[in-house]
Amino acid sequence: NAGVTQTPKFQVLKTGQSMTLQCAQDMNHNSMYWYRQDPGMGLRLIYYSASEGTTDKGEVPNGYNVSRLNKREFSLRLESAAPSQTSVYFCASSEMRGNYNYGYTFGSGTRLTVV
Amino acid sequence: GQQVMQIPQYQHVQEGEDFTTYCNSSTTLSNIQWYKQRPGGHPVFLIQLVKSGEVKKQKRLTFQFGEAKKNSSLHITATQTTDVGTYFCAGTSGGSYIPTFGRGTSLIVHP
Repeated sequence: NAGVTQTPKFQVLKTGQSMTLQCAQDMNHNSMYWYRQDPGMGLRLIYYSASEGTTDKGEVPNGYNVSRLNKREFSLRLESAAPSQTSVYFCASSEMRGNYNYGYTFGSGTRLTVV
Repeated sequence: GQQVMQIPQYQHVQEGEDFTTYCNSSTTLSNIQWYKQRPGGHPVFLIQLVKSGEVKKQKRLTFQFGEAKKNSSLHITATQTTDVGTYFCAGTSGGSYIPTFGRGTSLIVHP
């Protein structure tokens, strides 16, 4: 039972390059999320997907796009990376029943550096 | 928008001492979740509190949800080096199911 799997674990990009962070969960959760974590800033929501076929902006969506490919997979794309996007990125999923969130399961993270 | 404030930002303790982190919200919360993140790791869900005044225990960890559902605390009794990490609270309110995270309290335990 892998839980939430993120790839890659580490990445260095040059300013202006693009890349896609991959995330897959095997817990049959409906909802998936992308967070970024910066020192002293806690976890900030970038985008989320309440269910397959839907995506919504979170607190810090600028410079990112997402795709909910199917129920299992939710990818995050940086079209033109900037140094301000240097961060640790976490994908998460959660079981939802109505409006009740049973708590997140996080992936192990992607440590991204943009130079 | 909803804000969740967490204090202190850092806490140094000697092994065996107690530790408490506090979480305060600007709005009434539907529920509050607590997570632990080990250094270099990812957040791991610990517990969710839903009821006003609720108290839950997990071994040496005690979680409380305030009567007004605007604050919460996590208390660790007799800390161990395995308790090292950052503890986050995450509160949900206003009909949303997306929690807002506090900035976390980093616990450093000196042996």
